[in-house]
Amino acid sequence: DAGVIQSPRHEVTEMGQEVTLRCKPISGHNSLFWYRQTMMRGLELLIYFNNNVPIDDSGMPEDRFSAKMPNASFSTLKIQPSEPRDSAVYFCASSAGALNEKLFFGSGTQLSVL
Amino acid sequence: KNEVEQSPQNLTAQEGEFITINCSYSVGISALHWLQQHPGGGIVSLFMLSSGKKKHGRLIATINIQEKHSSLHITASHPRDSAVYICNTDKLIFGTGTRLQVFP
Repeated sequence: DAGVIQSPRHEVTEMGQEVTLRCKPISGHNSLFWYRQTMMRGLELLIYFNNNVPIDDSGMPEDRFSAKMPNASFSTLKIQPSEPRDSAVYFCASSAGALNEKLFFGSGTQLSVL
Repeated sequence: KNEVEQSPQNLTAQEGEFITINCSYSVGISALHWLQQHPGGGIVSLFMLSSGKKKHGRLIATINIQEKHSSLHITASHPRDSAVYICNTDKLIFGTGTRLQVFP
């Protein structure tokens, strides 16, 4: 299996632009997590899906952030409009179960908003 | 809300030393995860624990459910163990991480 695949690896954009991050989970995994990592706050959960349904989106910073999982093999995290404080590494991870199964991480997307 | 605390924040060791990293949390959980983040940024899951103890090579993870505490031990540490080690509860809340440097 190719593992969790994220794209792009790096994204540089200007403030106000729309940013879309993509994730393909491991085939057969039914839980998908979006995390953000910054120097100041470390790793934080943004949202997670179970069987394509959003279960907990309490970590989504504000209305500028939205996430979708239209099918079991694809998820997007969109920021519109982007702001410099959104600059971070965004990780997608998947697991075979919601809580009691091991997590598998993608390589992350390094986002820089200028 | 669960609070997750890790200690120490930074750890320096000589090759061969025994390493212990601690993680405490404040509310009951289903599972605790130990993660390793390499200098290049990639994150790997080392262990998922619900109770007791797990061992993989030189790494041992333990959890005490009653005390809400988990430890990660590295026996015979090696420079390639240098990384940030992060604990996580139920995939939801992360500790702040422990930066480990092992010198030859």
